[in-house]
Amino acid sequence: AQSVTQLDSQVPVFEEAPVELRCNYSSSVSVYLFWYVQYPNQGLQLLLKYLSGSTLVKGINGFEAEFNKSQTSFHLRKPSVHISDTAEYFCAVRNYNEKLTFGTGTRLTIIP
Amino acid sequence: GAGVSQTPSNKVTEKGKYVELRCDPISGHTALYWYRQSLGQGPEFLIYFQGTGAADDSGLPNDRFFAVRPEGSVSTLKIQRTERGDSAVYLCASSFGQGQAYNEQFFGPGTRLTVL
Repeated sequence: AQSVTQLDSQVPVFEEAPVELRCNYSSSVSVYLFWYVQYPNQGLQLLLKYLSGSTLVKGINGFEAEFNKSQTSFHLRKPSVHISDTAEYFCAVRNYNEKLTFGTGTRLTIIP
Repeated sequence: GAGVSQTPSNKVTEKGKYVELRCDPISGHTALYWYRQSLGQGPEFLIYFQGTGAADDSGLPNDRFFAVRPEGSVSTLKIQRTERGDSAVYLCASSFGQGQAYNEQFFGPGTRLTVL
């Protein structure tokens, strides 16, 4: 079985400030890791994914994440946020099964 | 169409009624997934189809839930004797093939089901 923990349910950040959204996972086997974003009244959109290779992965909209196997973490970061980044962010894992296991989400609010 | 579509976008029903939710995947995608997102939670897996067959239905909560994909394209999620606890957003996703880590799941906008 696998699980995902997103400790921060809400993160308020001033515009142009950096942000880090935390994600920890547990799994008895190797996993693939994902971050999805859900804008208001829209479907989930893939931000970035870690499959193998370099532990630092870059995604769309200036986001990046680092896979840390020893700490079982996959934190999402952006050096400077914009109003348009206001959304719900979900971390997810997958192993050899096809199904995604999601965390409970982090609501990112950008303060002008 | 360009993306995954789901109909209806909103469905309000009464406790005990039967509902059907439809998902139209991206053309050419052989894999189709249903997830359920309750308020304040992340999406939870329900069922996964590869072609016409259900490859994994371990997430269906009970026998009131059933899904079909008779021609390997459109899928219908069916809920019998609805309960207030079934109220949620039901998400559909599709992807190419199976067994490949890079197969991205593309999500539809969801159907918001409200059981009164």
